[in-house]
Amino acid sequence: AQKVTQAQTEISVVEKEDVTLDCVYETRDTTYYLFWYKQPPSGELVFLIRRNSFDEQNEISGRYSWNFQKSTSSFNFTITASQVVDSAVYFCALSESGNTPLVFGKGTRLSVIA
Amino acid sequence: NAGVTQTPKFQVLKTGQSMTLQCAQDMNHEYMSWYRQDPGMGLRLIHYSVGAGITDQGEVPNGYNVSRSTTEDFPLRLLSAAPSQTSVYFCASRRGQGPGGELFFGEGSRLTVL
Repeated sequence: AQKVTQAQTEISVVEKEDVTLDCVYETRDTTYYLFWYKQPPSGELVFLIRRNSFDEQNEISGRYSWNFQKSTSSFNFTITASQVVDSAVYFCALSESGNTPLVFGKGTRLSVIA
Repeated sequence: NAGVTQTPKFQVLKTGQSMTLQCAQDMNHEYMSWYRQDPGMGLRLIHYSVGAGITDQGEVPNGYNVSRSTTEDFPLRLLSAAPSQTSVYFCASRRGQGPGGELFFGEGSRLTVL
């Protein structure tokens, strides 16, 4: 069965520091999809990125970057030069092929201190 | 475009009472799902549906019923509320039946069972 592990429960950094959020996944499928969502203090869930299992290219979007490594079953998320507005809970998620639902990790709470 | 709409946003129930959390989407999405969010537990799937007339259980289905009579609506019913069902509930939808699409979330419904 699919599983997502986010070992870091809480992380606290000072503004402008870089921070990496870890995500390790388990699946027996060769076709699968990985996601990151952000939940700011206001509570809504915001989609950040989707990556399929056939695309191992890293992605950068502004201060955000994602490192997908099939060899270690990891899909880590790095925020460069963190800002207070980055404070949120971040969820990594996985869905396998077919009509399968999205399974979430337990989330990492990031606090960025000014 | 309203997206995914959940009602009510807040509800307080007494143990044993019943209620329905409503979820409607106006994006003509085939796939809909319900999650609950509890501290330290991430988002756990309750039930999901890949189309009208089709529903399936997720990780934590006990105590909840669903039906999908239309593409737009996916209500979640609590037949006899228990304090363990105190949680924040999120409805989500995505285009198509396949797993690769982005999930669009409602704003959440906070339920307290006394």
